[in-house]
Amino acid sequence: NAGVTQTPKFQVLKTGQSMTLQCAQDMNHNSMYWYRQDPGMGLRLIYYSASEGTTDKGEVPNGYNVSRLNKREFSLRLESAAPSQTSVYFCASSEVGGANQPQHFGDGTRLSIL
Amino acid sequence: GESVGLHLPTLSVQEGDNSIINCAYSNSASDYFIWYKQESGKGPQFIIDIRSNMDKRQGQRVTVLLNKTVKHLSLQIAATQPGDSAVYFCAENRGNFNKFYFGSGTKLNVKP
Repeated sequence: NAGVTQTPKFQVLKTGQSMTLQCAQDMNHNSMYWYRQDPGMGLRLIYYSASEGTTDKGEVPNGYNVSRLNKREFSLRLESAAPSQTSVYFCASSEVGGANQPQHFGDGTRLSIL
Repeated sequence: GESVGLHLPTLSVQEGDNSIINCAYSNSASDYFIWYKQESGKGPQFIIDIRSNMDKRQGQRVTVLLNKTVKHLSLQIAATQPGDSAVYFCAENRGNFNKFYFGSGTKLNVKP
């Protein structure tokens, strides 16, 4: 089982460029999430999708947009990348929305913005 | 939920010893907690969880203790092994649909 798959694994962008980070899960989970992790810090929630067709802001949504393409896929877009968005981005999924369910994570996309 | 600093606290233990990793949380409304393990270059991996109506929960070689009075969570790892070397995070859910707040983590270093 692949679990949560993120692409690409690494990316370098120039300030002002745009990019979409892809995430797909094969566990038939309803809920999906995007986090960022900065050095020495915990994960911070950017956006989440409780179910197919819905998305909501997390702690740090500014500068990002998301699309829940279908039940399996949840993408994160940087429209105009800034150096402050250099980070490791993690996608996660969980089985049901609204209940206490642990989240399953991908291995991250390491993004550097010059 | 802001994290602190660039340098993670580190716990160094000898192989075979027991490890205790601590986490303080800030919100008394938090009702669900998870411990995650994160190895270098990987995403967080679920270890064990506990709901606020419990004080203790045991898994395989791991125990989580919850003290709601002082808002403190701990992870105990028995007979620590080199493969346990990683960063460990606690995460709390404050009753708002699956919005978890993560601590900044503790690095566990197991010496052979």
